Amino acid sequence: GNSVTQMEGPVTLSEEAFLTINCTYTATGYPSLFWYVQYPGEGLQLLLKATKADDKGSNKGFEATYRKETTSFHLEKGSVQVSDSAVYFCALSDPRGSYIPTFGRGTSLIVHP
Amino acid sequence: EADIYQTPRYLVIGTGKKITLECSQTMGHDKMYWYQQDPGMELHLIHYSYGVNSTEKGDLSSESTVSRIRTEHFPLTLESARPSHTSQYLCASSGSLGNTEAFFGQGTRLTVV
Repeated sequence: GNSVTQMEGPVTLSEEAFLTINCTYTATGYPSLFWYVQYPGEGLQLLLKATKADDKGSNKGFEATYRKETTSFHLEKGSVQVSDSAVYFCALSDPRGSYIPTFGRGTSLIVHP
Repeated sequence: EADIYQTPRYLVIGTGKKITLECSQTMGHDKMYWYQQDPGMELHLIHYSYGVNSTEKGDLSSESTVSRIRTEHFPLTLESARPSHTSQYLCASSGSLGNTEAFFGQGTRLTVV
């Protein structure tokens, strides 16, 4: 079956530091890959996505590249802000899984001023 | 901006009461989902639907039930609430083929006392 593994948190950084959150996946088909963000008391919002190998998704300074050879989709940002503090979820949607989303366990990011 | 709505946002209810959590979307999505989110952030899929008159149980066993009589509406019902049902419930929907990202409601925080 499909699965998503992401690094455990919390990840604690100072403002303007470089961020990497690792994500690897297992899928039976050729999935689309996503990063979602959840702010306190809210639902999840799509942050970025990539639909095929070597695609790079980007949004709000965050980016992630679909690496089929390493089955990875790591999230990066060059300079984090306090307002980036949230929980980040890596996910996939696989046509062989009827496109039912599979989520990782979430990684909490805390950015200090 | 996501057009998926959950009501109520917060609910405190006594043990044994029957409750219905509402979820509606205006995007015409075929697929809809209910997730239970524990304090450790992980999302657990409890129910999903491929379309009208389709309902399936998810990975996490739940005493709740769902119905899908209309495309836009996917309510979740607990016949007799218990303290163990206390949790955050998230509703989501997604389209098909090239548009498979999930859109989430803001969630319902349920407390059973």
